[in-house]
Amino acid sequence: QITLKESGPALVKPTQTLTLTCTFSGFSLSTSGVSVGWIRQPPGKALEWLALIYWDDDKRYSPSLKNRLTITMGTSKNQVVLSMTNLDPVDTATYFCAHKAVVTPFDSWGQGTLVTVSS
Amino acid sequence: SYVLTQPPSVSVAPGQTARITCEGDNIDSKGVHWYQQKPGQAPVVVVYDDSVRPSGIPERFTGSNSGNTATLTISWAEAGDEADYYCQVWDGTSDDLSYVFGTGTKVTVL
Repeated sequence: QITLKESGPALVKPTQTLTLTCTFSGFSLSTSGVSVGWIRQPPGKALEWLALIYWDDDKRYSPSLKNRLTITMGTSKNQVVLSMTNLDPVDTATYFCAHKAVVTPFDSWGQGTLVTVSS
Repeated sequence: SYVLTQPPSVSVAPGQTARITCEGDNIDSKGVHWYQQKPGQAPVVVVYDDSVRPSGIPERFTGSNSGNTATLTISWAEAGDEADYYCQVWDGTSDDLSYVFGTGTKVTVL
């Protein structure tokens, strides 16, 4: 059974850097074809894909946010970390991490973590 | 960048059929996934690769993809189908490969 859980600060000040951790179980990110992605959802708005890291450490970023995002494998083999710089109130959203294999959708999601950007 | 457009809302009577469209340029050249999201919950895949249902998803959920429009059809709609629905594709047509979500459709079962 695949599970994922997001963790990080609930409140961040404008201009600060947000660091979120996705801790997962039930799969290995060293298995060929496996990836973990980050998706966010502002309150009452649509889903927005942010970043994805593949089993081979290849990384993909949303074109509109790539200058602000960094995705890495965590120090623990079952973690993925997303950093976003220069936060703005419009970045207020629920941030999800999700499992994905080759040519599949995001088939397992974490519960999400709400991040509010406010001074 | 690639854009997927969905109607903001669709209403359906119980027992009737709801159709949710997802418009994108030559979308039939891409595999379309559909997610259902209920309030306060994470999205769940209801159809992937245009028309494949994951295990546990009722046969009432079917998908199709042709030309510039993909469609999720919910037959014999039930109150439990009330949710937001999102289409999603992988856009590999430019140097900036990306995963794109649609604008979302709120389905109301009246």
